[in-house]
Amino acid sequence: DTAVSQTPKYLVTQMGNDKSIKCEQNLGHDTMYWYKQDSKKFLKIMFSYNNKELIINETVPNRFSPKSPDKAHLNLHINSLELGDSAVYFCASSQDRSVYGYTFGSGTRLTVV
Amino acid sequence: ELKVEQNPLFLSMQEGKNYTIYCNYSTTSDRLYWYRQDPGKSLESLFVLLSNGAVKQEGRLMASLDTKARLSTLHITAAVHDLSATYFCAVGSDQGGKLIFGQGTELSVKP
Repeated sequence: DTAVSQTPKYLVTQMGNDKSIKCEQNLGHDTMYWYKQDSKKFLKIMFSYNNKELIINETVPNRFSPKSPDKAHLNLHINSLELGDSAVYFCASSQDRSVYGYTFGSGTRLTVV
Repeated sequence: ELKVEQNPLFLSMQEGKNYTIYCNYSTTSDRLYWYRQDPGKSLESLFVLLSNGAVKQEGRLMASLDTKARLSTLHITAAVHDLSATYFCAVGSDQGGKLIFGQGTELSVKP
């Protein structure tokens, strides 16, 4: 069983479209995150949810809207996609102040054309 | 704001050699993580360091943490080709538990 699973793995879409990425964790963790990895491999936090409550929103354009229906799921919806949104998006989860580290999903490579 | 800097950013090593990757961070934290990322893959957790003076070893990799100097090191002993990957350090922030990542060190081990 995959601990943190994301779908889809690859997403190619045209500018202006709306798309969603889904994430599920089966670790029983309380906190879930979305990170963006750019073309230079730099990783930056976008959002964090703790038990379905939004904790962090890091100056991300409001075209990005996370949704957490329950503590095992965190989805990311992106409206009006732009070329600059092309990146790899990673979902992750952790227990609060995790002594075991954070578990990352396999990533979703989004390409906007 | 917490900043994390790694150096070097690129490292080309010969097999059998030793080297160290450095991770400096700007404000107090008691949680430091090292991850490995292979091309096109996810991040694999290597070490979790939670206290000053913590040292952990796994195979040819050893990580240490000096919270007073705000410095962590990842030491590679007798490198082998299989260690070729990008290595990230990340520091835990009290703000919602987020991780602040360094830029990554791209390691290439050549025969």
